[in-house]
Amino acid sequence: QKEVEQNSGPLSVPEGAIASLNCTYSDRGSQSFFWYRQYSGKSPELIMSIYSNGDKEDGRFTAQLNKASQYVSLLIRDSQPSDSATYLCAVEGDNTDKLIFGTGTRLQVFP
Amino acid sequence: DGGITQSPKYLFRKEGQNVTLSCEQNLNHDAMYWYRQDPGQGLRLIYYSQIVNDFQKGDIAEGYSVSREKKESFPLTVTSAQKNPTAFYLCASSIPGLAGGSEQFFGPGTRLTVL
Repeated sequence: QKEVEQNSGPLSVPEGAIASLNCTYSDRGSQSFFWYRQYSGKSPELIMSIYSNGDKEDGRFTAQLNKASQYVSLLIRDSQPSDSATYLCAVEGDNTDKLIFGTGTRLQVFP
Repeated sequence: DGGITQSPKYLFRKEGQNVTLSCEQNLNHDAMYWYRQDPGQGLRLIYYSQIVNDFQKGDIAEGYSVSREKKESFPLTVTSAQKNPTAFYLCASSIPGLAGGSEQFFGPGTRLTVL
């Protein structure tokens, strides 16, 4: 059973701080990794994708991938109250278009 | 205005009834997906289709059916055989990513409640 694990949280950080969200996965053959943001009652929104080891930066977001450790993370710099949401990690296996989703980490950014 | 639309936004069903959830996309994406999300849980794949007139079962296909007669449309029927259908249903479509992965984009969802 292929699995994606996330701490459910809530992760509480003050406004302006760095939020660090973590995800581990079981399928060593996984090649593609995604982070989605989901506001309460809304559908998930793709915010980052990463395919190779290392860091990928997009604005205040940085995704980090370590395939040897089967670990992917999302850093949010200068966190804002509007970043308060559930962040879903999704992993795509080798030779497949299917995503396996984690249960999400709820982030709370307080003023 | 490109995107994925789902209708209705809210749906109430009596036990024993079949209902059909609509999903339409004008993004020219080949692949489409149906997921359900229960409170506190991740998304679980119901069915997916990579091309017109072809679809595959996901992890929780029992009690559901789909069709893919047009590239733009991928309706999901929740049958009376689905024992616990109350959930948030999400449709997605995908394009190949820059490095070969598939980036999936979601519609706004349909919240189904069984009375």
